[in-house]
Amino acid sequence: DGGITQSPKYLFRKEGQNVTLSCEQNLNHDAMYWYRQDPGQGLRLIYYSQIVNDFQKGDIAEGYSVSREKKESFPLTVTSAQKNPTAFYLCASRGQPEKLFFGSGTQLSVL
Amino acid sequence: QKEVEQDPGPLSVPEGAIVSLNCTYSNSAFQYFMWYRQYSRKGPELLMYTYSSGNKEDGRFTAQVDKSSKYISLFIRDSQPSDSATYLCAMSLMYSSASKIIFGSGTRLSIRP
Repeated sequence: DGGITQSPKYLFRKEGQNVTLSCEQNLNHDAMYWYRQDPGQGLRLIYYSQIVNDFQKGDIAEGYSVSREKKESFPLTVTSAQKNPTAFYLCASRGQPEKLFFGSGTQLSVL
Repeated sequence: QKEVEQDPGPLSVPEGAIVSLNCTYSNSAFQYFMWYRQYSRKGPELLMYTYSSGNKEDGRFTAQVDKSSKYISLFIRDSQPSDSATYLCAMSLMYSSASKIIFGSGTRLSIRP
């Protein structure tokens, strides 16, 4: 099955801890995206990447980091600098034209 | 000012009604305009996209873009209970290295049987 796989489905973070959310795609898409969604809110762009080893900050990049070492993978690290990390995180890859394919999301909560 | 503003709702209408969902935007550089539908705790799915001003129809759905007014709309005819979901408008800015895609805040729609 082609698609976007996000893991884990649920994640808990302790104070001062960094956590990494996984995103893998087998759609052979170049571009990938990370969004954050708070309850009752829309999607806010964290980071996006057009190609391997290149990525750009979105509107709310502070407290997050990403890497793009492989075309298929775009992991997101939520660092201890992100003081309000509780949210639903969505990863997507972009097909043509401008069509985003989303994963099933990761719910991150703070212990 | 947010780049994309969307009527927050929630919106509740009877089955069979025509639904109108709207977004405005501030950046005239946006090139693609899209509507996504999201069911609770799921990833959004693309409903429709348009590139230019005008109307685009797909079954019961019509997307309308007015670039001169920086206003887009989605109309749903003969609404069904299965249309109950959150609807998100989205717009893309194409840079040389990547395409930045921005979403509105979403409108929660409920269709009453």
